[in-house]
Amino acid sequence: NAGVTQTPKFQVLKTGQSMTLQCAQDMNHNSMYWYRQDPGMGLRLIYYSASEGTTDKGEVPNGYNVSRLNKREFSLRLESAAPSQTSVYFCASIRLSPYEQYFGPGTRLTVT
Amino acid sequence: KQEVTQIPAALSVPEGENLVLNCSFTDSAIYNLQWFRQDPGKGLTSLLLIQSSQREQTSGRLNASLDKSSGRSTLYIAASQPGDSATYLCAPSEGQAGTALIFGKGTTLSVSS
Repeated sequence: NAGVTQTPKFQVLKTGQSMTLQCAQDMNHNSMYWYRQDPGMGLRLIYYSASEGTTDKGEVPNGYNVSRLNKREFSLRLESAAPSQTSVYFCASIRLSPYEQYFGPGTRLTVT
Repeated sequence: KQEVTQIPAALSVPEGENLVLNCSFTDSAIYNLQWFRQDPGKGLTSLLLIQSSQREQTSGRLNASLDKSSGRSTLYIAASQPGDSATYLCAPSEGQAGTALIFGKGTTLSVSS
């Protein structure tokens, strides 16, 4: 039981490049989230997927797209990376009853 | 909008001390509250989950309390060890799909041997 896994662990991009962050969970949860963590800002919700086939915007969705590929996988795409997207990105899987969030190890992204 | 404050922001103690980390939140209409641990450069590890109907949860040397009406939670660490050094985050939740956890900025704990 791996829990929540994320790839890659580290990534450096140049401004304007694109990439996809991958997230997978093996806990059979319906809901999955993407957060970003920045110094002094805490964790902020980017997008979430309440169930397979649905996605919704969170607090800071601009510049990102998501895909809920199946129940296990939820990906985050940066179409044209900007330095403001330098951050640590966490994927979380949510058990609804009782409500509890489980986090992946994170992807550390630097955009130059 | 829910706001979460954690005090102190940083704490340094010698090994063996008992310590208390404080968390306060502005909206008491929460479903539950999670305490997390984050090691430098790592992800978040859930330590304790307290339901709104509960007053306390215990796991080993950790004890978390919740006073929902006053908007406060505390994390008590007994007999601290160097391995406890990390940042501790609290996060109250509305408990519904689509609602984000609102995190405090954390308390960074350093335990010296």
